[in-house]
Amino acid sequence: DTEVTQTPKHLVMGMTNKKSLKCEQHMGHRAMYWYKQKAKKPPELMFVYSYEKLSINESVPSRFSPECPNSSLLNLHLHALQPEDSALYLCASSHWDRERTDTQYFGPGTRLTVL
Amino acid sequence: SQKIEQNSEALNIQEGKTATLTCNYTNYSPAYLQWYRQDPGRGPVFLLLIRENEKEKRKERLKVTFDTTLKQSLFHITASQPADSATYLCARGGFKTIFGAGTRLFVKA
Repeated sequence: DTEVTQTPKHLVMGMTNKKSLKCEQHMGHRAMYWYKQKAKKPPELMFVYSYEKLSINESVPSRFSPECPNSSLLNLHLHALQPEDSALYLCASSHWDRERTDTQYFGPGTRLTVL
Repeated sequence: SQKIEQNSEALNIQEGKTATLTCNYTNYSPAYLQWYRQDPGRGPVFLLLIRENEKEKRKERLKVTFDTTLKQSLFHITASQPADSATYLCARGGFKTIFGAGTRLFVKA
């Protein structure tokens, strides 16, 4: 199974709502990632988890809160978002390779719209 | 700062021709570069990885080259097909993967 799944596929939320994005993989990968992608732009790294611990936070605003409950699951909790946070949110996973030649497997993304 | 640049925003070619996409890097020397394909509204899909000590790598109709003198990687699709139309991303991998802006390839039938 080389699939990364993400739910929901689409999400519309108001600025006062609290919602969560979910990501799951069963490839035995110990690294998981959240990216944000705006239209016609490349994916931008937000967070990296390795062995269920947060390794990298790319200065992401606190209204985005990641969580890695176990090695297969990754969540992104959203609270008090702004309209400019509307984007495609991509989850990815990879082996945590010493040579750092990690090939990342991406999910289909969650299209988020903040009203 | 370290940069990955794909200078062509879009490339239009005729079916059957070879598409060549360029990736340049500045202010660092990557041990390897990766190429991904992304279709609209979907996540990127890994295609090829080439290391600095590899001049060329092939996979079916795809070929990637790595020139450390020019600080450049070229990505070729031979005998292109309309189904090859997509955005192709060059990436510096590792702890913090950084993607180039991507090149949108349009293959006309």
